[in-house]
Amino acid sequence: DTGVSQNPRHKITKRGQNVTFRCDPISEHNRLYWYRQTLGQGPEFLTYFQNEAQLEKSRLLSDRFSAERPKGSFSTLEIQRTEQGDSAMYLCASSFRPSISTDTQYFGPGTRLTVL
Amino acid sequence: AQSVTQLDSQVPVFEEAPVELRCNYSSSVSVYLFWYVQYPNQGLQLLLKYLSGSTLVKGINGFEAEFNKSQTSFHLRKPSVHISDTAEYFCAVSENDYKLSFGAGTTVTVRA
Repeated sequence: DTGVSQNPRHKITKRGQNVTFRCDPISEHNRLYWYRQTLGQGPEFLTYFQNEAQLEKSRLLSDRFSAERPKGSFSTLEIQRTEQGDSAMYLCASSFRPSISTDTQYFGPGTRLTVL
Repeated sequence: AQSVTQLDSQVPVFEEAPVELRCNYSSSVSVYLFWYVQYPNQGLQLLLKYLSGSTLVKGINGFEAEFNKSQTSFHLRKPSVHISDTAEYFCAVSENDYKLSFGAGTTVTVRA
């Protein structure tokens, strides 16, 4: 069990550019979550997948954001036409969901995005 | 909609002293409650969680929390802290089984 990994760890981009982040969950975890954390705040829920199906998207996830989990394993989060307000830490988590008592979300180290 | 308020943004404490981090939540339905810790340059790690049953929940590293439904609180305590407990602590609530809503966090600084 190597934990949740996220790449890249840091991304600096210019306003208007597109960026893509990758999350590799713990193997055999069927749920995958994306959160966003801005400075001085707790993480905010963006979206989650059960296997390859995206089951909920937050209102925070504007049309410029898209997330995929094509084979129910790794996931990507793409932001198109980045804005300075997109600067944040993007966190990924995964969990195994046979029952609520075992459904603990394990978080990755995050990808820090800076939009200049 | 659920929300979480962490009443202290920063808590300085001396080594071997007790610490309490306060968390209040608002929700119109039954909730699940969590405390996570974030050490510098690391991901969030679960300390403990309350799903049902006993209101006193014991977690890792000597932490415990008590669920108080009438006061809608879930305060975290440790009787004796170590330097290594210096970190940011987040309280979270969930009304369903997937979406966590986090508080703004409490930074604990343990001094020798």
